[in-house]
Amino acid sequence: DTEVTQTPKHLVMGMTNKKSLKCEQHMGHRAMYWYKQKAKKPPELMFVYSYEKLSINESVPSRFSPECPNSSLLNLHLHALQPEDSALYLCASSQVGRDRTYEQYFGPGTRLTVT
Amino acid sequence: KNQVEQSPQSLIILEGKNCTLQCNYTVSPFSNLRWYKQDTGRGPVSLTIMTFSENTKSNGRYTATLDADTKQSSLHITASQLSDSASYICVVRVGSSNTGKLIFGQGTTLQVKP
Repeated sequence: DTEVTQTPKHLVMGMTNKKSLKCEQHMGHRAMYWYKQKAKKPPELMFVYSYEKLSINESVPSRFSPECPNSSLLNLHLHALQPEDSALYLCASSQVGRDRTYEQYFGPGTRLTVT
Repeated sequence: KNQVEQSPQSLIILEGKNCTLQCNYTVSPFSNLRWYKQDTGRGPVSLTIMTFSENTKSNGRYTATLDADTKQSSLHITASQLSDSASYICVVRVGSSNTGKLIFGQGTTLQVKP
């Protein structure tokens, strides 16, 4: 199984709402990633978890709060978002180790619209 | 500054024709280079990964080349199909960290017409 799943596929939320994006993989990968992608732009790294610990935070605003409850799950909690946060949010996972050709497997993304 | 630049920005070709996409990078330290295919509204899917010592790698009708001296890569698509219509992204992995930060190019949007 080389699949990363993300739910929901689409999400519309108001600026005062609290919602969560979910990501799951069962490939035994110990690194998981959140990316944000605006239309016609490449993905931008937001967070990296390695062995369930946050290892990279790319200066993301605190209205985005990641959580890695176990090695298979990654959440992104959203609160008080702005319309400019509307984007495709991609989750990815990879092995961790010396072989740096380890591929990042991407999920299909959650299309988020903030109204 | 670590950068990955791709050309052309967009490309339209007829079904059955070949095409070549270009990628130039200034990334240090270089770890590896990947080409991804991304359909609209979907996550990227890896086509090839090449390390410093690899010059060429094929995946079906996709062939990637890497010239580490000139810091250039290309992706050649042979006998294009309508399903090849997508964005192709060149991605370079930076450095020695085990969790690998990726530097993404802006992508080339390919449209294959019947």
